[in-house]
Amino acid sequence: DAGVTQSPTHLIKTRGQHVTLRCSPISGHKSVSWYQQVLGQGPQFIFQYYEKEERGRGNFPDRFSARQFPNYSSELNVNALLLGDSALYLCASSAGTLNTEAFFGQGTRLTVV
Amino acid sequence: KQEVTQIPAALSVPEGENLVLNCSFTDSAIYNLQWFRQDPGKGLTSLLLIQSSQREQTSGRLNASLDKSSGRSTLYIAASQPGDSATYLCAVRTGGYQKVTFGTGTKLQVIP
Repeated sequence: DAGVTQSPTHLIKTRGQHVTLRCSPISGHKSVSWYQQVLGQGPQFIFQYYEKEERGRGNFPDRFSARQFPNYSSELNVNALLLGDSALYLCASSAGTLNTEAFFGQGTRLTVV
Repeated sequence: KQEVTQIPAALSVPEGENLVLNCSFTDSAIYNLQWFRQDPGKGLTSLLLIQSSQREQTSGRLNASLDKSSGRSTLYIAASQPGDSATYLCAVRTGGYQKVTFGTGTKLQVIP
């Protein structure tokens, strides 16, 4: 089975632009979460979706939004990009119950110039 | 608010040594704790998951323990190898589902 897949792997955007990042969870997993990891720090929780509904939101501005599709894949959207949005964006999937293991994708490296 | 701390921030050891990485958290009401490995510029690889009702988990040369009441977990790596060089992150789940709080990581270098 394929693991968690994210696309694109790398992306360069200009300040003020919009970006969409994509994530496909492991087959059968219904929960997808998004994290932002700035260089030298641990990942920070952005969103969690389960069964296509938002179940959790971290401390990020409204410029960040996400959605989950009927096939459980997910998109993370960031509007009006700032230099500080440059980071590795990670997607994690799990079966969805409280005590299941989280599996991460390889991430999307976003650079804002 | 859950806060997770990992000590030390960096560690350099000769090959073959046994070592311990530490993780502490402020809110003991956790569902589980997970240890990850991250290679430079890459995603996270899950190493061990410990449920809140468990005391330890083992996988190969890795052993993780959990003391929920004191807010501590340790990751023990036996007979370290150069291939173990990476950043090790612990993460605790509180508040349900996938709301996970990560530590800042321990960067491990194993010298041949």
